[in-house]
Amino acid sequence: QSALIQPASVSGSPGQSITISCTGTSSDVGGYNYVSWYQQHPDKAPKLMIFDVTRRPPGVSNRFSGSKSGNTASLTISGLQAEDEADYFCSSYSSSTTLGDVVFGGGTILTVL
Amino acid sequence: LQLQESGPGLVKPSETLSLTCTVSSGSISSSPYYWGWIRQPPGKGLEWIGNLYYSGSTYYNPSLKSRVTISVDTSKNQFSLKLSSVTAADTAVYYCARQQRDHFWFDPWGQGTLVTVSS
Repeated sequence: QSALIQPASVSGSPGQSITISCTGTSSDVGGYNYVSWYQQHPDKAPKLMIFDVTRRPPGVSNRFSGSKSGNTASLTISGLQAEDEADYFCSSYSSSTTLGDVVFGGGTILTVL
Repeated sequence: LQLQESGPGLVKPSETLSLTCTVSSGSISSSPYYWGWIRQPPGKGLEWIGNLYYSGSTYYNPSLKSRVTISVDTSKNQFSLKLSSVTAADTAVYYCARQQRDHFWFDPWGQGTLVTVSS
């Protein structure tokens, strides 16, 4: 069981928008603005898509956006494209003494129909 | 900046898993970055193992702390992971990554290496 809870899968048609949620606690997602999101294609290394809840690294499409409300962070992908089909993981700093400095979600498989 | 993991793909139960991450096109002594290890068991989510600063300071996942050692060799621009007393539960793809020290995001990541624990 991962520390951060994500839906196992989401799907959408090309051109649509989807949102992936990431639920934690006040010791991680809710307490700090250090949420990041990663995209992982099969047998590839994860790629940073969003950091500090809302910020995009250079080169990442502005179709990807992040937000947070309370203990839940969200990744929204607008104008879905076939190349967006991948696994998406969230991560957060954690002040928990039992979980360590960084916690991850279990991942969400995005299917583009 | 590129990172590449290397090490045995098969480790026997109760033995020590040893992996090395080589950093290229950049310095392991750069600030403000940590250098970390993350693993992903087959079909499961990611788990943070720990990280270190080039000065040698280390931070470990409490659930693995008793078995983990992360060290650095700045002369070779490498850092290493040792995980002792492994079991089948330690079978995973192991990634090394650069971690931003103050904001805790990881970028870039190595390609990952599958380590199987089996006799």
